[in-house]
Amino acid sequence: AQSVTQLGSHVSVSEGALVLLRCNYSSSVPPYLFWYVQYPNQGLQLLLKYTSAATLVKGINGFEAEFKKSETSFHLTKPSAHMSDAAEYFCAVRRSGGSNYKLTFGKGTLLTVNP
Amino acid sequence: KAGVTQTPRYLIKTRGQQVTLSCSPISGHRSVSWYQQTPGQGLQFLFEYFSETQRNKGNFPGRFSGRQFSNSRSEMNVSTLELGDSALYLCASSSSFPPGTEAFFGQGTRLTVV
Repeated sequence: AQSVTQLGSHVSVSEGALVLLRCNYSSSVPPYLFWYVQYPNQGLQLLLKYTSAATLVKGINGFEAEFKKSETSFHLTKPSAHMSDAAEYFCAVRRSGGSNYKLTFGKGTLLTVNP
Repeated sequence: KAGVTQTPRYLIKTRGQQVTLSCSPISGHRSVSWYQQTPGQGLQFLFEYFSETQRNKGNFPGRFSGRQFSNSRSEMNVSTLELGDSALYLCASSSSFPPGTEAFFGQGTRLTVV
């Protein structure tokens, strides 16, 4: 079985501050890991993905994440928050082997950016 | 290239009715999966189709069903609607099965059951 835990359902930062959204995963096989962003009344947009290549992954809009196998973590960061980053962020895991390739999502973290 | 298209965007149904939601994947994509999003349960996997065959199914009652057509378009159906079925239903498409790695999501259908 696989699972994702996102620490902090709500994170608030000031504009220009560091953004850090935490994600820990559990998977019985090597995982693929993803971060998605969701704006109000919208679907999910892929920010970045880890697929067993480089452990530091760069995504869109200045976001990046580092895969740490020893810590089973895949935290999302951005050096300087922008007002447009305010949204809900979801970490997701997918098996890279076996027969069930569903995405398992965390509960999400709502990011608020204060002026 | 057009993205994933879900219709309708909003739907209001009465308890006991049935509903059909539609999803057109990105052109060339053959895998379609469905997710239910609610405030309480978050994002939950419903089912996944590839080449008109259901490949995986989540833990939902039999009232939830789906299908995929030869042009890769997919529909999901919910019969005997319950208040708890009110949710945002998201469809995602991928280029292959097993899904390469990326799933592209549509904007969703907001279903309200009254």
